[in-house]
Amino acid sequence: QQQVKQSPQSLIVQKGGISIINCAYENTAFDYFPWYQQFPGKGPALLIAIRPDVSEKKEGRFTISFNKSAKQFSLHIMDSQPGDSATYFCAARRNGGYQKVTFGTGTKLQVIP
Amino acid sequence: ETGVTQTPRHLVMGMTNKKSLKCEQHLGHNAMYWYKQSAKKPLELMFVYSLEERVENNSVPSRFSPECPNSSHLFLHLHTLQPEDSALYLCASSQGSASGRDNEQFFGPGTRLTVL
Repeated sequence: QQQVKQSPQSLIVQKGGISIINCAYENTAFDYFPWYQQFPGKGPALLIAIRPDVSEKKEGRFTISFNKSAKQFSLHIMDSQPGDSATYFCAARRNGGYQKVTFGTGTKLQVIP
Repeated sequence: ETGVTQTPRHLVMGMTNKKSLKCEQHLGHNAMYWYKQSAKKPLELMFVYSLEERVENNSVPSRFSPECPNSSHLFLHLHTLQPEDSALYLCASSQGSASGRDNEQFFGPGTRLTVL
C-alpha cells in the first residue's frame, strides 16, 4: 500500500511560471515532510522540509504548503527556471532514532525557456 | 572525497554472477541505508544499519545481502539476481539521535545495475 501519493507524474512549465506538485499521505504518525530534488546521474538531495505544526514554509523560490486536516502538502516553485528541471520527490517520515522515510513516486519537472 | 560515494557507478551482470556494491560516507554519520529506485515507483527502502547493526530489512529477497563493517562503509552483495532487479541502487547516510528530529539523509549518486 503506497503511503504517499504524488501528482502529477510529469510537469512542463514555462520559464518564469509557477510549478506545483501535490502529495497526500495516509499515516498520521508521520511528523516530518521533506521534499527532495534529483538531477540525472545524482542521488536525491533535500530541498526543503516542513513539520505539521506549521501551514507554510518558504525558502527562496520554493514554498511548501501543508494541510494537516486534509493530509496533503504541496511544493510551489515560483519563477521557475530551466535549472529547476529535475525530478522532485515528496516524502514523509515518522520519528525515530534513524530516519524511516516513505517517498512519493516522483514528478519530473521540465522548465522550458 | 566528500559526502556519500558509491562504486561502481554502472554495473552489468548476468543472472549467475556475484558482485558487490560499495558505499562510503565521509560525514561522520551513524546510520546508513540502501534504497532501490525503479522508474515510476517510490524509492524502496531495503536495509537500514544504525550503529553498525541492521535495524531494518524490508522483506528483501535473500539474493541481496548487506554488510556494514563499520559506520563509514556499507556493502550490498548480489548473487543470482533476476532481470527485474535492474534498477538504480542508492546509498544514504544520516546522523541518528534519540529524538530522530532534523536528521537529514544524504544520498550517494547511485549504482545503475542491469541484470541480463
